[in-house]
Amino acid sequence: RKEVEQDPGPFNVPEGATVAFNCTYSNSASQSFFWYRQDCRKEPKLLMSVYSSGNEDGRFTAQLNRASQYISLLIRDSKLSDSATYLCVVNVNTDKLIFGTGTRLQVFP
Amino acid sequence: GAVVSQHPSWVICKSGTSVKIECRSLDFQATTMFWYRQFPKQSLMLMATSNEGSKATYEQGVEKDKFLINHASLTLSTLTVTSAHPEDSSFYICSATGGSAYNEQFFGPGTRLTVL
Repeated sequence: RKEVEQDPGPFNVPEGATVAFNCTYSNSASQSFFWYRQDCRKEPKLLMSVYSSGNEDGRFTAQLNRASQYISLLIRDSKLSDSATYLCVVNVNTDKLIFGTGTRLQVFP
Repeated sequence: GAVVSQHPSWVICKSGTSVKIECRSLDFQATTMFWYRQFPKQSLMLMATSNEGSKATYEQGVEKDKFLINHASLTLSTLTVTSAHPEDSSFYICSATGGSAYNEQFFGPGTRLTVL
């Protein structure tokens, strides 16, 4: 079983749609959780950290369920510029980041 | 702030040659640098972790004699792919911590290596 699993997609949605991505992780000792965004042939960029209480940043909402070892990302009012691959990332100790394979999002006009 | 650069951004080489990739933290001192590799449609895989002045710690399955890492200063780490073969063709990305109080990793733009 992979340490971090994501649905690879692609998710094809129209502008303005709401889309949700899910992620599960296998190591119950995981301490920190993140969503990164990666554009084609570019480096990943931190989108947001994920907290147990859930957190929101504009159109983006992240949720963490430690009991189910499940993380989600909700994007509201999708924009064309949101088209990218979204990486679920887990930190087990203070140094190592474990990346999921990513979920590809394509927003169309 | 917290900018990481990589050089070169892309390289094409012949099989059997060695390729050096540089990773620099431009505006902060990087306490730790990481090297990742990403094959098409796959996740970033950590290859090794390096701290300035000490030997790198390699992940399981990564050959330390093939992927030489030197972290000579707090702003520079290099990865040398020795005797490169076509299967080493990949996207190599470095990251560094030390640029924020939260241990956030800042990623370089990556180096695309193609071995013919």
